[in-house]
Amino acid sequence: DQQVKQNSPSLSVQEGRISILNCDYTNSMFDYFLWYKKYPAEGPTFLISISSIKDKNEDGRFTVFLNKSAKHLSLHIVPSQPGDSAVYFCAASAHTWGNDYKLSFGAGTTVTVRA
Amino acid sequence: NAGVTQTPKFRVLKTGQSMTLLCAQDMNHEYMYWYRQDPGMGLRLIHYSVGEGTTAKGEVPDGYNVSRLKKQNFLLGLESAAPSQTSVYFCASRGKGTGNQPQHFGDGTRLSIL
Repeated sequence: DQQVKQNSPSLSVQEGRISILNCDYTNSMFDYFLWYKKYPAEGPTFLISISSIKDKNEDGRFTVFLNKSAKHLSLHIVPSQPGDSAVYFCAASAHTWGNDYKLSFGAGTTVTVRA
Repeated sequence: NAGVTQTPKFRVLKTGQSMTLLCAQDMNHEYMYWYRQDPGMGLRLIHYSVGEGTTAKGEVPDGYNVSRLKKQNFLLGLESAAPSQTSVYFCASRGKGTGNQPQHFGDGTRLSIL
């Protein structure tokens, strides 16, 4: 039972425009949410995170929005650049007994930025 | 600045063979994790460790064993490889801290079981 869902497997956007990636979750115990970026033949790299006590976090061109009531978060990339073409994973963590800090991942969204 | 290093990068096995995947991290991290990535399914947690000498099961542990004899190393073993274990395997490590501390990933091991 997948607790983190990315329902759009792919997204194509023109260079300079906004990319919006969406993520839904089912577990109300999740208290941290992270976005990772992955290039082919490389491991995922951390991009940005947000705590459940916030509704927005911004880092340069990347902004993550969290809507707890809807169990939904989104990643905005403005402006999109060719180097942003990659697979983006949404991940969530629940503060479990023992502080294991396990992550549940979505299936990923492949972003292609067109020149 | 190596970070998380996985060996080997590629391997082809025959059904029934055994092998060990090695993960090494040089960041003195307490937590280490093994994931597998399959098309359309994201990353799924196989086993993890919260410190030297400890291991625990993740979401998909069957057919795998792990050991963490040294803090910097986390080994993933396949005792009798099956075609269903064909996948890309990622190791990750994480330091102490609150939940927004990110996990750092290696570049993966692509494993094919024939």
